[in-house]
Amino acid sequence: GQQLNQSPQSMFIQEGEDVSMNCTSSSIFNTWLWYKQDPGEGPVLLIALYKAGELTSNGRLTAQFGITRKDSFLNISASIPSDVGIYFCAGQLLGGTASKLTFGTGTRLQVTL
Amino acid sequence: EAQVTQNPRYLITVTGKKLTVTCSQNMNHEYMSWYRQDPGLGLRQIYYSMNVEVTDKGDVPEGYKVSRKEKRNFPLILESPSPNQTSLYFCASSLSAWGRETQYFGPGTRLLVL
Repeated sequence: GQQLNQSPQSMFIQEGEDVSMNCTSSSIFNTWLWYKQDPGEGPVLLIALYKAGELTSNGRLTAQFGITRKDSFLNISASIPSDVGIYFCAGQLLGGTASKLTFGTGTRLQVTL
Repeated sequence: EAQVTQNPRYLITVTGKKLTVTCSQNMNHEYMSWYRQDPGLGLRQIYYSMNVEVTDKGDVPEGYKVSRKEKRNFPLILESPSPNQTSLYFCASSLSAWGRETQYFGPGTRLLVL
């Protein structure tokens, strides 16, 4: 099955810094999703994007749906210790057959004080 | 509280010993799915179910079985586990398989096959 290329694989940053991660695909999606996984937990949806070019914010998080529909990025501003976790992008195709999520490989974020 | 539950959370077993991981949701969701998470590979879909008695293969179905006899439950069955099935497993559900429905994930089951 297809997988999405997500980068970077891991990041070590200081509290207060901004973070940027991205996801690319060889095929198009009509929905991009960003999830966060805390240690010992399942992924939780952060942001959903439904239109090419869409820019959406959720607090300190901002995500964009690439114009080509083959990429997306997530920015976290002014990081805090509770931002630690693994961030996953996921592409979704809607319509026709049942929607299916294809996940990226994840970005592990560590925040130091 | 709306949630997806999985049991057990942790399991150590030996090669060939059949096991079942249960998944239950209390949100009356139609769509349920199983994923496995492996380092460097993200989450990969094993099987999914669009409704009761309707199941289909995901990207990595080999070595797994599922059933959907009731709407709330979607057990994952490993008939003859092998070490390459050592992984972290997540069950997820959403209201339907169509449209902009959020998938809710369970807390995960960590499986070690010796």
